[in-house]
Amino acid sequence: DTAVSQTPKYLVTQMGNDKSIKCEQNLGHDTMYWYKQDSKKFLKIMFSYNNKELIINETVPNRFSPKSPDKAHLNLHINSLELGDSAVYFCASSRASGQGIDTQYFGPGTRLTVL
Amino acid sequence: GEDVEQSLFLSVREGDSSVINCTYTDSSSTYLYWYKQEPGAGLQLLTYIFSNMDMKQDQRLTVLLNKKDKHLSLRIADTQTGDSAIYFCAEPSRYNFNKFYFGSGTKLNVKP
Repeated sequence: DTAVSQTPKYLVTQMGNDKSIKCEQNLGHDTMYWYKQDSKKFLKIMFSYNNKELIINETVPNRFSPKSPDKAHLNLHINSLELGDSAVYFCASSRASGQGIDTQYFGPGTRLTVL
Repeated sequence: GEDVEQSLFLSVREGDSSVINCTYTDSSSTYLYWYKQEPGAGLQLLTYIFSNMDMKQDQRLTVLLNKKDKHLSLRIADTQTGDSAIYFCAEPSRYNFNKFYFGSGTKLNVKP
């Protein structure tokens, strides 16, 4: 029944490692997103894909690489992890590609801690 | 655009009304949104308002929009302890409706 799911929920790793976070939505939406929420709860968009195509690519270090194998999945791979990458990462999805009301549905988040 | 502002904290007693305020920057926004984030969870859409409306009421929630001042507010009547959460306002980018700018979030604490 889960609409937007993410794995893992918690991720603790050492600096310099490479890690991936997975996201899946079963809502039939065309558009998916990755957001980063820092320790002050500030939420900022990182990437968005529409039907496997990248449509939003914010100023994010190129150590972060999203991959969308199909429109129901959007994964986030992070190379050479740094302390500043510690945050909660949220996946979201929405139906439309830019017109009118477009509710974004969020996953439960992945708390990444880099030691 | 990017400067969506909210006050960081609000504390109320159970049964009182809560008013959470937000200022946004893009007068061309067609929709403005309120999201709620409970501890340890993702954001859930609470309500939204279309820019040609001044007010929208949905049970205990009232959204007021002042387009001239670019001011949005969320009023929660009869606030309950279960309303304790962080509330975010959001506006879409004028250039890309998919790109939302979120406020910093207002942490609402409801005391019994």
